[in-house]
Amino acid sequence: QKEVEQNSGPLSVPEGAIASLNCTYSDRGSQSFFWYRQYSGKSPELIMFIYSNGDKEDGRFTAQLNKASQYVSLLIRDSQPSDSATYLCAVRVTGGFKTIFGAGTRLFVKA
Amino acid sequence: DAGVIQSPRHEVTEMGQEVTLRCKPISGHNSLFWYRQTMMRGLELLIYFNNNVPIDDSGMPEDRFSAKMPNASFSTLKIQPSEPRDSAVYFCASSHDRLNQPQHFGDGTRLSIL
Repeated sequence: QKEVEQNSGPLSVPEGAIASLNCTYSDRGSQSFFWYRQYSGKSPELIMFIYSNGDKEDGRFTAQLNKASQYVSLLIRDSQPSDSATYLCAVRVTGGFKTIFGAGTRLFVKA
Repeated sequence: DAGVIQSPRHEVTEMGQEVTLRCKPISGHNSLFWYRQTMMRGLELLIYFNNNVPIDDSGMPEDRFSAKMPNASFSTLKIQPSEPRDSAVYFCASSHDRLNQPQHFGDGTRLSIL
């Protein structure tokens, strides 16, 4: 059973701080990793994807991937109350079209 | 470009009735996924199609659930007969099957079975 694990939270950070969200996965051959944001009552929205080891930055968001440790993370700099949502880590499994989603981490950014 | 379009947005029906959920994927995407999301179980993959062919339906909970994709621009998920425990938000997502392509989600159908 291929799995994606996330801390369910809630993770609470003050406005302006860095929020760090973490995810581990079991399929060592996975090559594609995605972060989705889901506001309450809304659908998951893609915010970042990463395929290579290292960091990838997009505005206030940085995705980090370490394939040797089977670990992917999302950093949100200068966190805003509007970043309060559930963040889903997703991993595309080896040799197929399927993507496995973690259970999500709830983030609260306090004004 | 239009995103993934799902209908209806909300459905309330009585136990035992047939429910049909509809999805139009993004044009050019050849993989389509049906998910169910509940507070208890999170986001569960029910079934997915590639080039209109069902590839993996191992997530379909019971024979009461069925899905079809008659062409590249339309898919249905049917529940017959429906039960209160089927109440959830059902999402459709699509992607291109090239490596590294993400899935894009529709707005979902909020289903309530009374």
